[in-house]
Amino acid sequence: QSVLTQPPSVSGAPGQTVTISCSGNSSNTGAGYYVNWYQQFPGTAPKVLIYRNHNRPSGVPDRFSGSKSGTSASLAITGLQTDDEADYYCQSYDNSLGGSGVFGGGTKVSVL
Amino acid sequence: QVQLVQSGAEVKKPGASVKVSCKASGYSFTSSAMHWVRQAPGQGLEWMGWITAGSGDTKYSQRFQGRVTISADTSANTVYMEMSSLKSADTAVYYCAAVVVTDPSLIYDYFYMDVWGKGTTVIVSS
Repeated sequence: QSVLTQPPSVSGAPGQTVTISCSGNSSNTGAGYYVNWYQQFPGTAPKVLIYRNHNRPSGVPDRFSGSKSGTSASLAITGLQTDDEADYYCQSYDNSLGGSGVFGGGTKVSVL
Repeated sequence: QVQLVQSGAEVKKPGASVKVSCKASGYSFTSSAMHWVRQAPGQGLEWMGWITAGSGDTKYSQRFQGRVTISADTSANTVYMEMSSLKSADTAVYYCAAVVVTDPSLIYDYFYMDVWGKGTTVIVSS
């Protein structure tokens, strides 16, 4: 069971907006630590999509946006494209048990 | 360009140890931190630990404390992850992932994975 909670799957039609939630607690997201998001295609390494809650690395389309409030964060994908079909993971730092990185269980985005 | 090159696939027997390397190029190695993340077949990502390359400071997930050692060779711009007492459940792809740290006093602001290696498959089987 992952420390950060994500829905296992979300889906949408091309052009629609989908949102992936990421819920933590007072030891991680609720303690003010940043949330980061990664995109992973089958058989490949993950890639950072959003860092420090809402920042996009160069090259990441502005269709991807991140936000955080309290213990929860979310990733929104607007103008959904077939190329967006992938697994998405949220990640943060947790200060319990000596401190460690924590991931969500991942969300599979399907484009209908 | 920024690049992380990992060592090749390994097949090990239960109880053995494995050491995976990750050679960095294209950025200031001593001003960076390196995470290790693993992914078992069909499963999600699991954070194992990290090292701040310049200071050599490490932090490990409690799940791997005592069984995993992360080290850095600044002369070779290379980070190593060694895991001992391997079990079949350790069969996974192991990734290194780096981030440049420009202000070490705010180290947890850099607790993300900016550049990833392609991964090293470790199979543990008798």
